[in-house]
Amino acid sequence: SQQGEEDPQALSIQEGENATMNCSYKTSINNLQWYRQNSGRGLVHLILIRSNEREKHSGRLRVTLDTSKKSSSLLITASRAADTASYFCATGNRDDKIIFGKGTRLHILP
Amino acid sequence: AAGVIQSPRHLIKEKRETATLKCYPIPRHDTVYWYQQGPGQDPQFLISFYEKMQSDKGSIPDRFSAQQFSDYHSELNMSSLELGDSALYFCASSVGRQNYYGYTFGSGTRLTVV
Repeated sequence: SQQGEEDPQALSIQEGENATMNCSYKTSINNLQWYRQNSGRGLVHLILIRSNEREKHSGRLRVTLDTSKKSSSLLITASRAADTASYFCATGNRDDKIIFGKGTRLHILP
Repeated sequence: AAGVIQSPRHLIKEKRETATLKCYPIPRHDTVYWYQQGPGQDPQFLISFYEKMQSDKGSIPDRFSAQQFSDYHSELNMSSLELGDSALYFCASSVGRQNYYGYTFGSGTRLTVV
């Protein structure tokens, strides 16, 4: 069953602008992860935020988690052409698997 | 640093044929997960193994089977292939059963059924 829902499904912004993607989920989680996927390529782990954390930074990435609203956001600052990709949130619980949402397709315009 | 190795990278099979996909986890990783990603779709969990035992099962068709071997590599066997099986198949590995650090994914096997 689907867990994460990304919003928006597609996003086009100018290079240099900030990009924000949101993810909502339904059940309780241990952690939430964000992955990037270039077209038809592998999934690259970006950042993991645990359920007891509210915000996490990694380079130009900032992730927030609101467990009361069951939502997370991924902010990419000062976007670059190389950031063009699909971004997925994935929720992890006590089970051995993570469940992916449908992803946001981000397109950075030159 | 060593990554998750999947083979083959590309595979073309005809309907009703059989395919075997292989996954070699990062050294000392004892847990393997398989995901299927259809065109334009999100990755769907198929099955996972921990210490050579099946640990969880997702939307894996009965025509598919998988196992993890003593060296921790895993194989996904797919029989009676259908056109709808065409997809990217990802393997990921981790240490232990608690997903604390995120998974490392392989580059995937692109299966095309014709």
